[in-house]
Amino acid sequence: EMVMTQSPATLSVSPGERATLSCRASQHISTNLAWYQQRPGQAPRLLIYGASTRATGIPARFSGSGSGTDFTLTISSLQSEDFATYYCQQYNDWPPNPFGGGTRVEIK
Amino acid sequence: EVQLVESGGGLVQPGKSRRLSCAASGFTFDDHAMHWVRQAPGKGLEWISGISWNSDNIDYADSVKGRFTISRDNARNSLYLQMNSLRTEDTAFYYCAKDKYVTGTTGLLENWGPGTLVTVSS
Repeated sequence: EMVMTQSPATLSVSPGERATLSCRASQHISTNLAWYQQRPGQAPRLLIYGASTRATGIPARFSGSGSGTDFTLTISSLQSEDFATYYCQQYNDWPPNPFGGGTRVEIK
Repeated sequence: EVQLVESGGGLVQPGKSRRLSCAASGFTFDDHAMHWVRQAPGKGLEWISGISWNSDNIDYADSVKGRFTISRDNARNSLYLQMNSLRTEDTAFYYCAKDKYVTGTTGLLENWGPGTLVTVSS
């Protein structure tokens, strides 16, 4: 069974700084990896798919990289609205589509 | 604009049933697979079920298999989740979500509804 592992669980970053989030798949998934952002009290929204393609309307400060089993989401200069929880998800094999446990990005 | 709106949440006793609905608009509903994802309060996301555009392919997470049934009515642009034998651990926000790709079923969730809260408690 596919398992997605995110690290760290919590990341403390100052506004304007760079944030780097990691996601590891237990099996090879090519680039079939998505990142979602969830702000408090809101539904998740798609940020990145295909490991590196930004979804519609997503600012360029969000970038994704990786293939195979190791992936990274980078937020180049954190804005106040970016403090949220981020989840990775594989969609290489359906079903199921497990999510990682999430990384909470908080204000330092 | 794509809109997904869930309804049917509320307080339900353990062992009872509940049916959730998701009304879709702003896209060609019968072109896309649809999914349900849930989130227990303060916890992470859990994909629980998906259905292909024509209902030919359906699957469930092990945690709900045999208790929950997903269905869709393409004529009504609606998605449903019938939840039976509810347990306290089913307490969660339930989101419906649209698969990004036309006719395929990938689990890549391009659009989400705001969610509906189901609380299972006596």
